Amino acid sequence: QVQLVESGGGVVQPGRSLRISCAASGYTFSSYGMHWVRQAPGKGLEWVALIWFDGSKRYYADSVNGRFTISRDDSKNTLYLQMDSLRVEDTAVYYCVRDPGSVAYYYDSWGQGTLVTVSS
Amino acid sequence: DIVMTQTPLSLSVTPGQPASMSCKSSQSLLHTDGKTYLYWYLQKPGQSPQLLIYEVSRRFSGVPDRFSGSGSGTDFTLKISRVQAEDVGIYHCMQGIHHPATFGQGTKLEIK
Repeated sequence: QVQLVESGGGVVQPGRSLRISCAASGYTFSSYGMHWVRQAPGKGLEWVALIWFDGSKRYYADSVNGRFTISRDDSKNTLYLQMDSLRVEDTAVYYCVRDPGSVAYYYDSWGQGTLVTVSS
Repeated sequence: DIVMTQTPLSLSVTPGQPASMSCKSSQSLLHTDGKTYLYWYLQKPGQSPQLLIYEVSRRFSGVPDRFSGSGSGTDFTLKISRVQAEDVGIYHCMQGIHHPATFGQGTKLEIK
């Protein structure tokens, strides 16, 4: 079955960097677009970034554009999110999600999430 | 960005009774292909969200038939015919037709 396992979260100071990862298994990773979605403590869900199945296109939320970089390594079945210039408001659980959509975005599988806390 | 508005924000239901919640979008979610791209997710306590309903009314694999979705255009409803204890959590609606995908603020379902 499909499994998405995030890792790399932790506590980081404002202005510093962190890279989180998502290991995928149970399906052909290279056939699917992948996203990062985050949830601040006690808040709703917010889309963060998208990478197409072939890595040819990447999109970002305005709130992270220019600071975060999404990437994938199909040889390792792994998705990454490089987060630079972190801010207190980036504190959230970050979920890796699979997107099977062709016309519209939607997420049929979610990881368990990794908590990123930005604090001095 | 498309704004998704869910009501009520919280709901308390006796087991065995029905529940209903609403989701409204600021623009139509009807695509030129004739499909409407509105989704419902359930986030159980301490867990990540799971897909319940896609394209307004289609139940995802393994979702019990007590869950049903309806609506069109900008107004949508999720109904649970007979609430069970395992249905507690936060229900999120999401639109996927306009970039970026956006979520409602969630409806929290509790058991009386």
